[in-house]
Amino acid sequence: GAGVSQSPRYKVAKRGQDVALRCDPISGHVSLFWYQQALGQGPEFLTYFQNEAQLDKSGLPSDRFFAERPEGSVSTLKIQRTQQEDSAVYLCASSLATVYEQYFGPGTRLTVT
Amino acid sequence: GENVEQHPSTLSVQEGDSAVIKCTYSDSASNYFPWYKQELGKRPQLIIDIRSNVGEKKDQRIAVTLNKTAKHFSLHITETQPEDSAVYFCAGNTTSTPGNNFNKFYFGSGTKLNVKP
Repeated sequence: GAGVSQSPRYKVAKRGQDVALRCDPISGHVSLFWYQQALGQGPEFLTYFQNEAQLDKSGLPSDRFFAERPEGSVSTLKIQRTQQEDSAVYLCASSLATVYEQYFGPGTRLTVT
Repeated sequence: GENVEQHPSTLSVQEGDSAVIKCTYSDSASNYFPWYKQELGKRPQLIIDIRSNVGEKKDQRIAVTLNKTAKHFSLHITETQPEDSAVYFCAGNTTSTPGNNFNKFYFGSGTKLNVKP
């Protein structure tokens, strides 16, 4: 079946611009996660949704980062007033209920110039 | 929270040899340890995982071992092939805040495996 999809795959933003990154999880997956992956590093947790409820946002680096999942399926990660340090790959993962396995999307590579 | 350390950062082996990647973790409550393979520009893919109630798990040429006492786990790849070349990440879980039953993963920094033909 279809895996996790993300769009856009690449995004170039000028410093100060706002961006919105989309994630379509696997159908039926209750849990949705956002991660940030810097070059040469492992993914770092940003936030977690169970259905439409954002249960953990402890990894969001600043209040410029905002995520939502209003209908419990598609999620959007928004970054306001982008900074160069926001340049990274943003990965989305989904999981069936609270079981362990998480399946990743291909990521959005954000470059802030 | 959990801290996962992974080494080596790079590993080069000859085709047909074995490769071993090691990780340590800090949270004694961690009970699930997945391994992901990430090819350049692609998504991390789950290749094998282990839960804390077992010490070893095998899937064809891939195996993972877990030592809960020492808080370390390892990925073993036998009879390596050029298509095994990728970056491998280990991870350990931690449960979220009380009342929230989900797994937050902490990832190691990755091992770039190069299998030379």
